Amino acid sequence: NAGVMQNPRHLVRRRGQEARLRCSPMKGHSHVYWYRQLPEEGLKFMVYLQKENIIDESGMPKERFSAEFPKEGPSILRIQQVVRGDSAAYFCASSPLLAGNTGELFFGEGSRLTVL
Amino acid sequence: GDSVTQMEGPVTLSEEAFLTINCTYTATGYPSLFWYVQYPGEGLQLLLKATKADDKGSNKGFEATYRKETTSFHLEKGSVQVSDSAVYFCALSDGANSKLTFGKGITLSVRP
Repeated sequence: NAGVMQNPRHLVRRRGQEARLRCSPMKGHSHVYWYRQLPEEGLKFMVYLQKENIIDESGMPKERFSAEFPKEGPSILRIQQVVRGDSAAYFCASSPLLAGNTGELFFGEGSRLTVL
Repeated sequence: GDSVTQMEGPVTLSEEAFLTINCTYTATGYPSLFWYVQYPGEGLQLLLKATKADDKGSNKGFEATYRKETTSFHLEKGSVQVSDSAVYFCALSDGANSKLTFGKGITLSVRP
């Protein structure tokens, strides 16, 4: 049973370009979470999605960032007009149902974005 | 809002040494508490958890006890191994949507 798959693992973009990060959750999981890890910082929650719905996007920057989880295909985190401050590791996690207090999320290996 | 504070790192120990990694939290409700571990080049994995006060989570020789009175969830292991070298994250969940709040993480290096 494959784990959470993220790609690309490493992405280099120049300022002003767009970055697209993809996440395929574990088989049977319908809940996806995106977290960002800045250098020397912990993971910060960005957004929580179920199929075709954004449930909680309270951690998403108001501009340039968007996320989707379509009925078919992976979840996409999209960053438009990237700036150097967007350089970070972006982690996707999934869970089979609303995990509630179990908190057991299954994480991918992360996508490391570098903005030149 | 909710927050998690971990001790400053990194930590370097010799094999078979005793390990304590401190974690304290601030939360308005009654959160569940977790330790996640990230081995080099991998994603985070759940190490152990505790869902209510005085619960003890344990796994792979690691233990942590949910202390409501001191709002702490310190991670301990009696005898570390080289294979325990990793980054350790303390986290809490308020139960709503499983949104986890993480500490900054601490890097543990174990020398042979």
